[in-house]
Amino acid sequence: GDSVTQMEGPVTLSEEAFLTINCTYTATGYPSLFWYVQYPGEGLQLLLKATKADDKGSNKGFEATYRKETTSFHLEKGSVQVSDSAVYFCAPPRGKLIFGQGTELSVKP
Amino acid sequence: GAVVSQHPSWVICKSGTSVKIECRSLDFQATTMFWYRQFPKQSLMLMATSNEGSKATYEQGVEKDKFLINHASLTLSTLTVTSAHPEDSSFYICSASYLAGGLKTQYFGPGTRLLVL
Repeated sequence: GDSVTQMEGPVTLSEEAFLTINCTYTATGYPSLFWYVQYPGEGLQLLLKATKADDKGSNKGFEATYRKETTSFHLEKGSVQVSDSAVYFCAPPRGKLIFGQGTELSVKP
Repeated sequence: GAVVSQHPSWVICKSGTSVKIECRSLDFQATTMFWYRQFPKQSLMLMATSNEGSKATYEQGVEKDKFLINHASLTLSTLTVTSAHPEDSSFYICSASYLAGGLKTQYFGPGTRLLVL
């Protein structure tokens, strides 16, 4: 069935560093893909999405490109801030959104 | 955008009592809502799928008599933790499916923190 494999955390970066969180998926067809973010003590928020191959989702400086050839949807940000410290979830395509562990990001000043 | 609310945001109760958590889609109708629980530093565990007007579908290992789900309208689903015990203490999160422009997106509530003493 549809699933994702996400880079394990925790990831610790200094402010203004470049961020990449890897996510690869398996799915039939070309489903929409999503990244969610969970700030401490809160629920999940939709961060960005891409609906078809080669689409780039972007929001708050984060980007992810839906790459069909490598079945990937890696999350990137050019310059992270302390406020980006959170857990990031690559959501599996379709279905009931069975989430993985997420990747915890900690940004130090 | 689509907004999902939960109430209460946190609750403390005595062991043996029942607790009801509400999940509302504020600006859209949701025929399907999902209930998750999350332990500290862990991922979300899907508990059940709530379908408007019909019985909920529970994931394996989740006691349906313990976690009662009611989805009486297109904007409201409730989760009742019956005879709560300390091991039920957790962070409960709901989500609702929103279909727009042919794309189905999950929107999550802010979560309800339950502490059973």
